[in-house]
Amino acid sequence: SQQGEEDPQALSIQEGENATMNCSYKTSINNLQWYRQNSGRGLVHLILIRSNEREKHSGRLRVTLDTSKKSSSLLITASRAADTASYFCATDSKRFGAGTRLTVKP
Amino acid sequence: DSGVTQTPKHLITATGQRVTLRCSPRSGDLSVYWYQQSLDQGLQFLIQYYNGEERAKGNILERFSAQQFPDLHSELNLSSLELGDSALYFCASSVVPGAYEQYFGPGTRLTVT
Repeated sequence: SQQGEEDPQALSIQEGENATMNCSYKTSINNLQWYRQNSGRGLVHLILIRSNEREKHSGRLRVTLDTSKKSSSLLITASRAADTASYFCATDSKRFGAGTRLTVKP
Repeated sequence: DSGVTQTPKHLITATGQRVTLRCSPRSGDLSVYWYQQSLDQGLQFLIQYYNGEERAKGNILERFSAQQFPDLHSELNLSSLELGDSALYFCASSVVPGAYEQYFGPGTRLTVT
């Protein structure tokens, strides 16, 4: 079974808006990672947050981690059409969720 | 370009057949992971190797096997293929197992007819 579960399954927004995706997991973790996948391509690592961290930033990305709730969120600010992709969370490197399909309309 | 190479890019074969997928990790990476992604599905972790040794096993069927060779490249063998095995198979590598990012290859698209 998958460890990470993303929510929502699909998200459609206008360019310039912010996109928030959530990830829940079941067991304790050492780290959580977010990846991006363009259609049919390999995944690209976005950001890693360790279990002792609560928030991390990378460019327009902001990731939070709440280990008490076993959840994480990925915020993409000022979205662009090029951000259209599927986004996955993964716990301890190997357990991926089903992903959130983000569509950013120009 | 992640530095991870996978061959072949596409593979079409018939049910009951056996195929081998090949992966060369990024230079310097010792750990290799294999994943299966069916249409509109998330990634299913299959198996992980580290420096030639099996490190972790996921949802890998008994019909599937893998190995990592001394030069660190890895092969995934799929046998007695079924229609449901049609999927994208990704290889990823990392420096060491654990809290390090993985670099994904472009995948092999397997179609079983």
